Amino acid sequence: EPEVTQTPSHQVTQMGQEVILRCVPISNHLYFYWYRQILGQKVEFLVSFYNNEISEKSEIFDDQFSVERPDGSNFTLKIRSTKLEDSAMYFCASSADRLPNYGYTFGSGTRLTVV
Amino acid sequence: AQTVTQSQPEMSVQEAETVTLSCTYDTSESDYYLFWYKQPPSRQMILVIRQEAYKQQNATENRFSVNFQKAAKSFSLKISDSQLGDAAMYFCAYRSRTGNQFYFGTGTSLTVIP
Repeated sequence: EPEVTQTPSHQVTQMGQEVILRCVPISNHLYFYWYRQILGQKVEFLVSFYNNEISEKSEIFDDQFSVERPDGSNFTLKIRSTKLEDSAMYFCASSADRLPNYGYTFGSGTRLTVV
Repeated sequence: AQTVTQSQPEMSVQEAETVTLSCTYDTSESDYYLFWYKQPPSRQMILVIRQEAYKQQNATENRFSVNFQKAAKSFSLKISDSQLGDAAMYFCAYRSRTGNQFYFGTGTSLTVIP
């Protein structure tokens, strides 16, 4: 069964450093998403991306975040200057349709630890 | 904004027994989707079951079924004949019919006791 692949599975970074989280969505999917889950809290929506532009973003997704689909296969989330509160599990997801009746396909997540 | 509440942070069940996980939500919309996702230790979130709000009939997928009470805004998941592989974090999620953003609960960690 097709999978969404995320790398790395765990990343440790120093506060103030830039970090890039990588995702390879399912190949025929057109819509891409990032969610995050701070330990013990809800999974929260960050951003959705379609046709090489952001289609929707949450309040969390401020100027320190950016997304990109640099080469037609990868979908990346960049955090420019990490803060301690950015420590979380980050999930990438993709879907073939804008309003997927059957939900997204999620990746296994990248655990980001900011020290 | 829509909110999803899972009031049971942890649950346990004996193997082969039945367990019910609770979920309530708040919305002013009349048409939406509800989902249960499973996140095993391998961490990939897997769709377990979905329910369309305009359908009266409760969804069923093999050993998994839901009790959807629209008026009460309740969406519980029943797992029958629990297996060791059912041990995971279970998330309830809401999505409006016209939006592509999911709203998740905080999750319920299910332990299956051999």
